[in-house]
Amino acid sequence: AQTVTQSQPEMSVQEAETVTLSCTYDTSESDYYLFWYKQPPSRQMILVIRQEAYKQQNATENRFSVNFQKAAKSFSLKISDSQLGDAAMYFCAYTDTDTGTASKLTFGTGTRLQVTL
Amino acid sequence: DGGITQSPKYLFRKEGQNVTLSCEQNLNHDAMYWYRQDPGQGLRLIYYSQIVNDFQKGDIAEGYSVSREKKESFPLTVTSAQKNPTAFYLCASKGFVQPQHFGDGTRLSIL
Repeated sequence: AQTVTQSQPEMSVQEAETVTLSCTYDTSESDYYLFWYKQPPSRQMILVIRQEAYKQQNATENRFSVNFQKAAKSFSLKISDSQLGDAAMYFCAYTDTDTGTASKLTFGTGTRLQVTL
Repeated sequence: DGGITQSPKYLFRKEGQNVTLSCEQNLNHDAMYWYRQDPGQGLRLIYYSQIVNDFQKGDIAEGYSVSREKKESFPLTVTSAQKNPTAFYLCASKGFVQPQHFGDGTRLSIL
């Protein structure tokens, strides 16, 4: 079974600085998809970024980027120019397939990010 | 606007009582999911449905039941067999190429 590990329960960053959240995963599949979801205090899950394992290029979305190391099974999230609105729980997630209707997500335990002035 | 509506936001259950959490989507998605979130444990899959009138157990299905009579609706019943139901419950849906989209959740507590 696939597992996703987030070893940092809490992280803190100053406004305008850069922070990196770590995620490792275990799978025997060669093709899969990885995600970072943000859960603010409102508790809604918001997709931040998506990475396809067969793509060498790291995904980016504005201030959010990933460092995807397939051989090391590592998928870290970098948040640049941190803003107060970035404060939230961040979850790393994995699925074997993201097309069709058979997609099931496996989540890590989350990292709580605090943003200070 | 298209989205997922979960109701109620807060729900209280008495001992021995079954309660049903509602999840409705107007995104025309075929697949729908129920997750449970406990502090420090992330989200765990309870049940999922790929198509109307069909559903499969997830990792923690014991004490829960679902139905999928309409494409738009995927209600979750927390039965009296679920001995520790206090948690935050999230519903999600997914189209063929879109990633999973989540509702705002329901918090269930024991009276």
